[in-house]
Amino acid sequence: GQNIDQPTEMTATEGAIVQINCTYQTSGFNGLFWYQQHAGEAPTFLSYNVLDGLEEKGRFSSFLSRSKGYSYLLLKELQMKDSASYLCAEDTGRRALTFGSGTRLQVQP
Amino acid sequence: DVKVTQSSRYLVKRTGEKVFLECVQDMDHENMFWYRQDPGLGLRLIYFSYDVKMKEKGDIPEGYSVSREKKERFSLILESASTNQTSMYLCASSYPGTGGKQNIQYFGAGTRLSVL
Repeated sequence: GQNIDQPTEMTATEGAIVQINCTYQTSGFNGLFWYQQHAGEAPTFLSYNVLDGLEEKGRFSSFLSRSKGYSYLLLKELQMKDSASYLCAEDTGRRALTFGSGTRLQVQP
Repeated sequence: DVKVTQSSRYLVKRTGEKVFLECVQDMDHENMFWYRQDPGLGLRLIYFSYDVKMKEKGDIPEGYSVSREKKERFSLILESASTNQTSMYLCASSYPGTGGKQNIQYFGAGTRLSVL
């Protein structure tokens, strides 16, 4: 996805914490979304941030810094079922979202 | 629960064929989208529609057209399929909204199209 950067792959251990970073363009910023996509399945909505700070939802949290054009998704107490791709997407006010290429997370026992 | 249904999970077509990919949503959403997803490139927007009979080009519209005759249905058309259109195609829908969580997009399961 143009102007959105996130790592291609990450590996982590079951029970650990992992942070997936995303940087985006700041002009026209209207909100930042995180989606989870298991192999062969539809992306599903995880979180939304528009103000600076941390949004917590169970084991998953998402952080935003508007001035830095930076977000991260934090996954705690990793489980094997968390192995998936995580997509960062920016709302720039044109109805459609702009997606990053996704980060493939592999959780190992 | 929002449901976005794509008519086929897997499709195999020959070069030059006309291909229709159908998408239906049951939540009365104004906005509907077609993306293609390729390894290393992420989701790229082909076309979107914000109302019946209205459409806008996305980032990669070449070789594609769309049709929105009814609010719940958005069709992607490949007029003459080519091998470089082999991809995963994802349909999504969202509320009209002016931003915020209104712009959450709900996705169908995808259609994996192979053009031989």
